[in-house]
Amino acid sequence: EPEVTQTPSHQVTQMGQEVILRCVPISNHLYFYWYRQILGQKVEFLVSFYNNEISEKSEIFDDQFSVERPDGSNFTLKIRSTKLEDSAMYFCASSLSGSTDTQYFGPGTRLTVL
Amino acid sequence: EDQVTQSPEALRLQEGESSSLNCSYTVSGLRGLFWYRQDPGKGPEFLFTLYSAGEEKEKERLKATLTKKESFLHITAPKPEDSATYLCALFYAGNNRKLIWGLGTSLAVNP
Repeated sequence: EPEVTQTPSHQVTQMGQEVILRCVPISNHLYFYWYRQILGQKVEFLVSFYNNEISEKSEIFDDQFSVERPDGSNFTLKIRSTKLEDSAMYFCASSLSGSTDTQYFGPGTRLTVL
Repeated sequence: EDQVTQSPEALRLQEGESSSLNCSYTVSGLRGLFWYRQDPGKGPEFLFTLYSAGEEKEKERLKATLTKKESFLHITAPKPEDSATYLCALFYAGNNRKLIWGLGTSLAVNP
């Protein structure tokens, strides 16, 4: 069964460093998303991406964040200068179509900022 | 104001003891409500999608129902492997593609 994969599973970084989180969405899906979940809190939407551009982003997704589809399979989230409050689980998701189609999630990357 | 509220926050059941989890919402123009299961340290695993009031979906011991203001996830004769956090998320009019989430119900099923 096709699945979304994410690497690394755990990333530890120093405050102010740049990190890149990687995702491989399900191969025939066209819409891609990043969400985050701070420990003990709700899952929060960050950004959606379609046709090589951002289609929607939340207030959390400020200039420190960027997304890219560098090739036909990978989808990345870059945090330019990490802060302590960026520590969270980051989930990538993909869906076949946009609108209200089911989103399928990867296993997540746990980001720890020291 | 919370748009999606799940209750109870935590539930402990004996194996075989059926129960229901609740997801209530305050948004207008619901476009789709989703139930996911999340194991510790893992990503949400899709269970069901419901689109309109009165709709029901069933899979093994789980059954999801939807009304105009809430959804229930009924668990019949649960087993220890059903222990997980169950998350509810939804889209509403003008907010497509951006899932809005509840905090989840942490379910523990004792053998």
